[in-house]
Amino acid sequence: QSALTQPPSASGSPGQSVTISCTGTSSDVGDSNYVSWYQQHPGKAPKLMIYEVTKRPSGVPDRFSGSKSGNTASLTVSGLQSEDEADYYCSSYAGSNNLVFGGGTKLTVL
Amino acid sequence: QVQLQESGPGLVKPSETLSLTCSVSGGSIGTYSWSWIRQPPGKGLEWIGYISNSATTKYNPSLKSRVTMSVDTSKNRFSLKLTSVTAADTAVYYCARGFCSGGSCYSRFWDYWGQGALVTVSS
Repeated sequence: QSALTQPPSASGSPGQSVTISCTGTSSDVGDSNYVSWYQQHPGKAPKLMIYEVTKRPSGVPDRFSGSKSGNTASLTVSGLQSEDEADYYCSSYAGSNNLVFGGGTKLTVL
Repeated sequence: QVQLQESGPGLVKPSETLSLTCSVSGGSIGTYSWSWIRQPPGKGLEWIGYISNSATTKYNPSLKSRVTMSVDTSKNRFSLKLTSVTAADTAVYYCARGFCSGGSCYSRFWDYWGQGALVTVSS
């Protein structure tokens, strides 16, 4: 069982927006700005999409945005495109030199 | 372009030690922190630990008693050892580089990853 809870699946049609949640506790997500999101296509390594809750690395489209409220972080993908279909993982610093991941969400573009 | 490549045995016997090396090309290993992350087949990601550019190490508390990381700056590579392995340690093991941006460097976000190495624990 993963430390952070994500929905197993999410979906949306091209052009639509979809939001993926990542729920932790007051010891990790709720107490940390070190929340990040990764995109993983089948058979590939993860790719950093969001770091420090809301920041995008250079080269990541601004269709991807992150936010946090309380113990729940969220990734929103706007203007869905077919290439956005992938697994998405959140992660958070959890104190005591530990870092935890969510179980992953499979995003399907209908 | 920075490239990372994991290498090591793909099959390890139970109770033995898993050893992997990550070779870094296209950049100096001495400037960044370096991590290992694993992913059991069909499952999610698990952070194993990192080694900083000053060779300080931090490990996942659940694995700490079995993990050792080291860096060889002369060969631009770093390594992972995981002792007393069981079938639960079967996974794709990724090495990854700590992300730097705007003058800040992070050990808990990673921008460059290796392709991953599948290690199976079985007799």
